[in-house]
Amino acid sequence: DQQVKQNSPSLSVQEGRISILNCDYTNSMFDYFLWYKKYPAEGPTFLISISSIKDKNEDGRFTVFLNKSAKHLSLHIVPSQPGDSAVYFCAASDASGGSYIPTFGRGTSLIVHP
Amino acid sequence: NAGVTQTPKFRILKIGQSMTLQCAQDMNHNYMYWYRQDPGMGLKLIYYSVGAGITDKGEVPNGYNVSRSTTEDFPLRLELAAPSQTSVYFCASSYGVGPQHFGDGTRLSIL
Repeated sequence: DQQVKQNSPSLSVQEGRISILNCDYTNSMFDYFLWYKKYPAEGPTFLISISSIKDKNEDGRFTVFLNKSAKHLSLHIVPSQPGDSAVYFCAASDASGGSYIPTFGRGTSLIVHP
Repeated sequence: NAGVTQTPKFRILKIGQSMTLQCAQDMNHNYMYWYRQDPGMGLKLIYYSVGAGITDKGEVPNGYNVSRSTTEDFPLRLELAAPSQTSVYFCASSYGVGPQHFGDGTRLSIL
């Protein structure tokens, strides 16, 4: 039973436009969320995080939005660049409960066309 | 800083053979993890450790063993390799709830 779901296996976007990657979770105890980016033949790298006390966190072109009532978060990339083409993983953990072990989604493959 | 270093990068094993995947980190992180990633799937946790001398099972521990004798090293042992263990293995480390730092993975094929 997937507790963290990324329902879109892939997303194709034109360079310069917005990319929106979505993630849903079922465990109401999750209170810390992270996004990772993964290029082929490399390990995932941390991109951005958000705790449940916030509903938005920005870092340059990357913004994560959290809707706790809907158990939904999204990653916005504006503007998208060809170098953003990668697999993006959403992860969630029950940090305040002392569990630092994140649960990962299956990933969304983003392709940004020049 | 090297971060998280995994060796080897690639390996082919025969069914029934054993091997150890090495993982070392130089960030003094207390938490270390082993994941496997199968095609089209997310990262599945095999084992994790919250500090030297302490290890615990993750979601898919069967067929694997780990040890954590030092803060830096967290080797993963495969005993009696099976085709179902063909996968890409990632080691990661973190400081508590902070973001995980991953190695570049070991691609393992069992034939």
